[in-house]
Amino acid sequence: GAVVSQHPSRVICKSGTSVKIECRSLDFQATTMFWYRQFPKQSLMLMATSNEGSKATYEQGVEKDKFLINHASLTLSTLTVTSAHPEDSSFYICSAARGEAYEQYFGPGTRLTVT
Amino acid sequence: GENVEQHPSTLSVQEGDSAVIKCTYSDSASNYFPWYKQELGKRPQLIIDIRSNVGEKKDQRIAVTLNKTAKHFSLHITETQPEDSAVYFCAASIRGGGGTSYGKLTFGQGTILTVHP
Repeated sequence: GAVVSQHPSRVICKSGTSVKIECRSLDFQATTMFWYRQFPKQSLMLMATSNEGSKATYEQGVEKDKFLINHASLTLSTLTVTSAHPEDSSFYICSAARGEAYEQYFGPGTRLTVT
Repeated sequence: GENVEQHPSTLSVQEGDSAVIKCTYSDSASNYFPWYKQELGKRPQLIIDIRSNVGEKKDQRIAVTLNKTAKHFSLHITETQPEDSAVYFCAASIRGGGGTSYGKLTFGQGTILTVHP
């Protein structure tokens, strides 16, 4: 149990376009989902926390108008990178938590390359 | 906010030796400390975790110790094997009580562990 999927696994887009990444909890209801970004050979950095039905809470330095997060249901959160630029190229990973449980369950990640 | 420091950044050991990775955290309210193993291009995989009401936890070859007073926790891997080679991350989180900090993980910088056959 506790499986989280992400789609797509890899995406290449041109500079200036927008890309949507989906994060789904397949066998549980995720009250909270988190979005992380990981640059090569670096750690995971939290971008934002999203709770179903409410606005996401963004970490300091993360542009909320550029990284749009929607948590429309207890099993789906989406991250849209708007007007992507090469510096947005990164590995984006979501995680999901259920209720008061301590553990977070990570998705497999999405490799975004902006050309 | 929380700050997690992890050392060493790289660790090279011979197969069968032990490996120790150390982390310190800054927020005394943190009460959940997971350790993750990440292979290249893959998701972080939880290998062990500890809560603040416990000082030590062991799972076969892996153990974690927590010193709340000093605000540091360590990962111990015994009898290392080549398949243990990966990047290891510690993290800290506040679970319970709600609020904007609820549940979010702050990661350490990572340790590249190489186990030589």
